[in-house]
Amino acid sequence: SQKIEQNSEALNIQEGKTATLTCNYTNYSPAYLQWYRQDPGRGPVFLLLIRENEKEKRKERLKVTFDTTLKQSLFHITASQPADSATYLCALDGLDNFNKFYFGSGTKLNVKP
Amino acid sequence: EAQVTQNPRYLITVTGKKLTVTCSQNMNHEYMSWYRQDPGLGLRQIYYSMNVEVTDKGDVPEGYKVSRKEKRNFPLILESPSPNQTSLYFCASSSRGLAEQYFGPGTRLTVT
Repeated sequence: SQKIEQNSEALNIQEGKTATLTCNYTNYSPAYLQWYRQDPGRGPVFLLLIRENEKEKRKERLKVTFDTTLKQSLFHITASQPADSATYLCALDGLDNFNKFYFGSGTKLNVKP
Repeated sequence: EAQVTQNPRYLITVTGKKLTVTCSQNMNHEYMSWYRQDPGLGLRQIYYSMNVEVTDKGDVPEGYKVSRKEKRNFPLILESPSPNQTSLYFCASSSRGLAEQYFGPGTRLTVT
């Protein structure tokens, strides 16, 4: 079955620096990969979607890369701000079913002023 | 305002007492889904629906039922809740599979 790994340890960075979060997956090749932000006690909020034939996607201060050879996605937040502090989740479609979704357990980002 | 609503937001119940968590979306989305979120396990998909009267199992469907009689509503039914179903539940919708999902605010369920 598919396995999605995100660093369970919190990432602590200084305001203004670039935060880089990692999502690794095994056992299959997803057609899509999505990134979500989740604040404590709230539902996830969609940030970016990248397709298997896309190498990179950008939206304002956010950038996502998708390396199907390494089976890895990197999520970057440039010029980070304390308001970026949250848990970031990656999600992939299912091995045999595009309508199923699998989420990583998320990485907590702390941006210190 | 485009949104997904869930009710109740908090629920404490006892083992075996049937309950329903409602989910409604106002975006005319075809795809709806239920997830549970547990510490260290992340979000796991319970059931999803591609359209009215079309539902299918996600990764952890045991102990749950769903129905999709109207496009906007997708209730989650626990016929005989057990303590291992204590969790935070999220409903989500999207225009289709593989598109961005809009999540509800969550329902925190405790089964004693």
